[in-house]
Amino acid sequence: RKEVEQDPGPFNVPEGATVAFNCTYSNSASQSFFWYRQDCRKEPKLLMSVYSSGNEDGRFTAQLNRASQYISLLIRDSKLSDSATYLCVVNIKAAGNKLTFGGGTRVLVKP
Amino acid sequence: NAGVMQNPRHLVRRRGQEARLRCSPMKGHSHVYWYRQLPEEGLKFMVYLQKENIIDESGMPKERFSAEFPKEGPSILRIQQVVRGDSAAYFCASSQGRGNTEAFFGQGTRLTVV
Repeated sequence: RKEVEQDPGPFNVPEGATVAFNCTYSNSASQSFFWYRQDCRKEPKLLMSVYSSGNEDGRFTAQLNRASQYISLLIRDSKLSDSATYLCVVNIKAAGNKLTFGGGTRVLVKP
Repeated sequence: NAGVMQNPRHLVRRRGQEARLRCSPMKGHSHVYWYRQLPEEGLKFMVYLQKENIIDESGMPKERFSAEFPKEGPSILRIQQVVRGDSAAYFCASSQGRGNTEAFFGQGTRLTVV
């Protein structure tokens, strides 16, 4: 089983709609969590950290469910510019604070 | 405060040559990751280093690939005797190496083996 798993998609989303997707992690000792965004042929960029109480940044909401070992990302009022691959990242302290990336979820927002 | 710097941005090598990819982490960052990404595929972890120490090299191919992060200077990913299958984007990321800190990526080096 992979340490961090994501649905690869693509999620085809009408402009203005809401899309949500999850990421599951297998190591219960995982300490911190992040969402990154990667545009085609570019480097991944940090989108947001994920806090235990959940957090929101504009149209983006991240949630953490430690009991079920998953994090989620919700995008409201999708824009064409939200089209990208979203990477889930988990920090495992026991592995020397190594950041482990999921394979990414591709989102395509269409007019 | 410069971000993560990778060079060169593009590198062309003939089969059998050596490729050296450099990564200078962000100021204050002591940990470096290297990832490889083939076209239309996800990031594949290669190696995780601290200065003068390899923490995790479980993603490194057993032959031809090596990485270092010396006390002074950039981290180097070295590929000896390159083959066409080594053609990919190689991304470096750096972090402070503490539990709640994120990593920041360089713009990558695109290696093409001809």
